[in-house]
Amino acid sequence: QQQVKQSPQSLIVQKGGISIINCAYENTAFDYFPWYQQFPGKGPALLIAIRPDVSEKKEGRFTISFNKSAKQFSLHIMDSQPGDSATYFCAASMRGSNYKLTFGKGTLLTVNP
Amino acid sequence: GAVVSQHPSRVICKSGTSVKIECRSLDFQATTMFWYRQFPKQSLMLMATSNEGSKATYEQGVEKDKFLINHASLTLSTLTVTSAHPEDSSFYICSARVRGLNTEAFFGQGTRLTVV
Repeated sequence: QQQVKQSPQSLIVQKGGISIINCAYENTAFDYFPWYQQFPGKGPALLIAIRPDVSEKKEGRFTISFNKSAKQFSLHIMDSQPGDSATYFCAASMRGSNYKLTFGKGTLLTVNP
Repeated sequence: GAVVSQHPSRVICKSGTSVKIECRSLDFQATTMFWYRQFPKQSLMLMATSNEGSKATYEQGVEKDKFLINHASLTLSTLTVTSAHPEDSSFYICSARVRGLNTEAFFGQGTRLTVV
């Protein structure tokens, strides 16, 4: 049973555009929702994370929108750049499980120049 | 930010041999470390969770006798793939949770294991 569903599987955006990646979760016990960026052959790097007590968090060009009632959260990348081309993973975790991460399947983002 | 160093970054071994992968937290103490496996163009699959000084907790379907995990100190965890076979070829990634922080985990750069 996949606990975190991520879409789309791949995304192509023009430079300067907005990239939007969506995730939905099932387990209401999740209380931490990070987004990771992974380049080929590298480990994931934390981009931004949110807790369910806020609806939005912004860090630079990256924004997480969180809808607790719908059990959905999304990543918005403003002014997308070719250097943003990577695979993005959403994840969820909860206190009671050592905060082990459950990952979405990933989104391959390509930003065309 | 906190740095997690994984070594080696790439390793090729012969079928039937064992390979050890190290994961070190360089500038923080890690009470909990996680080991993941990632196949090409797929997501990260958690293999096991290890807490310093105690036995690792393996996810369902992961053979504990094949993937030996040791978390001997607050800065070092090792994963040993025993009697490796070509199907064990994969990208192995560790992450560490900072002692005292509840949530954030930092990832190593990964180890590409190829079994020939």
